[in-house]
Amino acid sequence: AQSVAQPEDQVNVAEGNPLTVKCTYSVSGNPYLFWYVQYPNRGLQFLLKYITGDNLVKGSYGFEAEFNKSQTSFHLKKPSALVSDSALYFCAVINTDKLIFGTGTRLQVFP
Amino acid sequence: DSGVTQTPKHLITATGQRVTLRCSPRSGDLSVYWYQQSLDQGLQFLIQYYNGEERAKGNILERFSAQQFPDLHSELNLSSLELGDSALYFCASRGPYNEQFFGPGTRLTVL
Repeated sequence: AQSVAQPEDQVNVAEGNPLTVKCTYSVSGNPYLFWYVQYPNRGLQFLLKYITGDNLVKGSYGFEAEFNKSQTSFHLKKPSALVSDSALYFCAVINTDKLIFGTGTRLQVFP
Repeated sequence: DSGVTQTPKHLITATGQRVTLRCSPRSGDLSVYWYQQSLDQGLQFLIQYYNGEERAKGNILERFSAQQFPDLHSELNLSSLELGDSALYFCASRGPYNEQFFGPGTRLTVL
């Protein structure tokens, strides 16, 4: 069965520092991977996706993600964190057309 | 703004009652997905419709049902409500590259 794991419940980073939110996947076949962000009292916003092609995927708000097949990882990154990036981040994988989500990682960026 | 609309934003009701949640997908999107987000279960897929027909079912209780109408809007019906049904309910529609765009959600509180 397709699944993703987010090993960290929370990530803390100082503003201006690079950030990484980790995700590993377990899929049969080629993975379709996604990152979503959820701000307080808001819906999920699509950040980026990996379908095929370049391993480094660029998305919204300066975020990018690196697909690593050998490590079965799809970590979300940003070179310089902003306080406004503080939110809940979800990694997801497509399974027969529906999204299977990880448990989420809360990102806290401190000024 | 994802282009997916959901009403109502908040719903407060009592145990045993029945409620209807409404969703309109983005213009041109034929698929509607329903997800439930709760503290203990995380984000879970409930059900998918495509152009009026049910396509996939996830962890949807028998007390819950959904339908998609000819104008492509969808309704999720929740009956015999229990305290544990309190959650955020999201709908999403699918873009051309399998990404899903989420509505703002309906927060259901069962008292």
